[in-house]
Amino acid sequence: AQTVTQSQPEMSVQEAETVTLSCTYDTSESNYYLFWYKQPPSRQMILVIRQEAYKQQNATENRFSVNFQKAAKSFSLKISDSQLGDTAMYFCAFMRGNDMRFGAGTRLTVKP
Amino acid sequence: NAGVTQTPKFRILKIGQSMTLQCTQDMNHNYMYWYRQDPGMGLKLIYYSVGAGITDKGEVPNGYNVSRSTTEDFPLRLELAAPSQTSVYFCASIRTRQETQYFGPGTRLLVL
Repeated sequence: AQTVTQSQPEMSVQEAETVTLSCTYDTSESNYYLFWYKQPPSRQMILVIRQEAYKQQNATENRFSVNFQKAAKSFSLKISDSQLGDTAMYFCAFMRGNDMRFGAGTRLTVKP
Repeated sequence: NAGVTQTPKFRILKIGQSMTLQCTQDMNHNYMYWYRQDPGMGLKLIYYSVGAGITDKGEVPNGYNVSRSTTEDFPLRLELAAPSQTSVYFCASIRTRQETQYFGPGTRLLVL
């Protein structure tokens, strides 16, 4: 079974600075999708960024980018120019077919 | 489009009671999913459906049942509520597996 590990339960960053959240996963599959979701206190799950495993180019979405290392099974999220609104739980997720697995999350606090 | 809607938003159940969590999507999506999120944890897949009349178990199906009589609706049934089912329940849908899941706002369930 696939597993997703987020080794940083909590992180903090100063406003306008850059922070990187770590995620590793375990799978024997070669085709899959990876995601980062943001969950603010409202509990709504908001997609931050998505990466297809067959694409070598790292996905970017405005201030958010990933470092996808397929051989190392690593999928980290970099948030540039952090904003107070980025304060939330961040979940890394792996999807293969209908099997979707989430990590335990990283609580990110952006300090003014 | 309303997207994915869930009712109720919050419910308290006594041990042994039953209830149905409702999920409706108006995007004509084929695939629908139910997840649970325990405190401080990521989401875990309970059941999923690839189309009307077709359902299958996810990672944590015990204690739950689902049905999919229409494309729009995917209710989750708890027959004999137990304290271990205290959680936040999320419904999600996608049109195809190559796309990103749309999440509902969640239902918070407390079993006492």
